Amino acid sequence: DGGITQSPKYLFRKEGQNVTLSCEQNLNHDAMYWYRQDPGQGLRLIYYSQIVNDFQKGDIAEGYSVSREKKESFPLTVTSAQKNPTAFYLCASSTREAEDYGYTFGSGTRLTVV
Amino acid sequence: AQKITQTQPGMFVQEKEAVTLDCTYDTSDPSYGLFWYKQPSSGEMIFLIYQGSYDQQNATEGRYSLNFQKARKSANLVISASQLGDSAMYFCAMRGYTQGGSEKLVFGKGTKLTVNP
Repeated sequence: DGGITQSPKYLFRKEGQNVTLSCEQNLNHDAMYWYRQDPGQGLRLIYYSQIVNDFQKGDIAEGYSVSREKKESFPLTVTSAQKNPTAFYLCASSTREAEDYGYTFGSGTRLTVV
Repeated sequence: AQKITQTQPGMFVQEKEAVTLDCTYDTSDPSYGLFWYKQPSSGEMIFLIYQGSYDQQNATEGRYSLNFQKARKSANLVISASQLGDSAMYFCAMRGYTQGGSEKLVFGKGTKLTVNP
């Protein structure tokens, strides 16, 4: 079955460490996104990519970095510059081929700073 | 810029009854799309229903229907015959655009629905 796989499901980071969250999709979607979710908040866009080797900052990109070397993969690195990284991170992909070109989401990674 | 407002932080409903979750939106775009997602405690976002701004009829998907009132800029989700498994967070979202002109989803803060037996 096609879908988005995020790993790991839970991640613990020490102060000053960089960590990388994985996102892989086999839907052949061109666009991929990273969202951050805090308790009681909706999702906020961190980074997005419309095509391979190209990505753009979203609304809250500071302290994060991404790469898009393959169509299927869009990893997110949470750097030590991100002052409050504890949150739930969701990866999504989309296509414009369907009229309602919906977004497909992964199951998320819960990052905790210890 | 696009904005989604969900004014109900929490809602309760009895099993087998219907419930309406409110969503209002703001946009200056003549063409837009509205989505509803369900987020169970496990965390994944499950697509429920979509309404295009030019659709003449309200969208329906099984027990889900969208009460779209364009003039009032509202897109309320109606869940009929609630089930215990409907207990979850529900997010209204709109197709918006980044400063660079690329597409993104703009989300409301969500409504936590609890279905009581």
